[in-house]
Amino acid sequence: QLQLQESGPGLVKPSETLSLTCTVSGGSISSSSYYWGWIRQPPGKGPEWVGSIHYSGSSYYNSSLKSRVTVSVDTSKNQFSLKLSSVTAADTAVYYCASMIRGVIKVWGQGTLVTVSS
Amino acid sequence: QSVLTQPPSVSAAPGQKVTISCSGSSSNIGNNYVSWYQQLPGTAPMLLVYENDKRPSGIPDRFSGSKSGTSATLGITGLQTGDEADYYCGTWDSSLSPWVFGGGTKLTVL
Repeated sequence: QLQLQESGPGLVKPSETLSLTCTVSGGSISSSSYYWGWIRQPPGKGPEWVGSIHYSGSSYYNSSLKSRVTVSVDTSKNQFSLKLSSVTAADTAVYYCASMIRGVIKVWGQGTLVTVSS
Repeated sequence: QSVLTQPPSVSAAPGQKVTISCSGSSSNIGNNYVSWYQQLPGTAPMLLVYENDKRPSGIPDRFSGSKSGTSATLGITGLQTGDEADYYCGTWDSSLSPWVFGGGTKLTVL
């Protein structure tokens, strides 16, 4: 059974870069069927899709974040990562990693709260 | 302001039925499958319905989905107190953000 686990700092300073990693277990990140994605949810608000990537390198990003977001994949570690640059308080959210298959967000990680504050 | 419009809240008594609507446009719901997600308090969202009306294994048939034109609907019958959660619709969009969510609907089982 596919499981995903986020890891990374819970506190990031304004203007710095947020970096998170998602470790995939119970399946291969190199599966051609899957895209691997990041979704965030600000406190008290609904989810917002951030971006996703295929192991081949094909990626899609939320256009409102595209200039600041990079999603990458490391097949040797069965992990994928998120980098969000120049963060502000508006980037404070629970960040989820997720697997997508045939256009469906099928499995979600438990989420990790990232707070942007000095 | 979400691209997909959901009612902020719905409520019903235990054992009753409730429906949650999700309204979009031709750039999203009108030309793509819709999925629904349940988020219980303090937990990650979970897939409830996909491809408009299909349920993943383990999801009871009390939950159902449908789509017509640029709108979709989630139905829940035989309401239980454990169904109290936030429900989100989601789909692909051909405009700014490839994947969009509804604003969410809070279900209260009175």
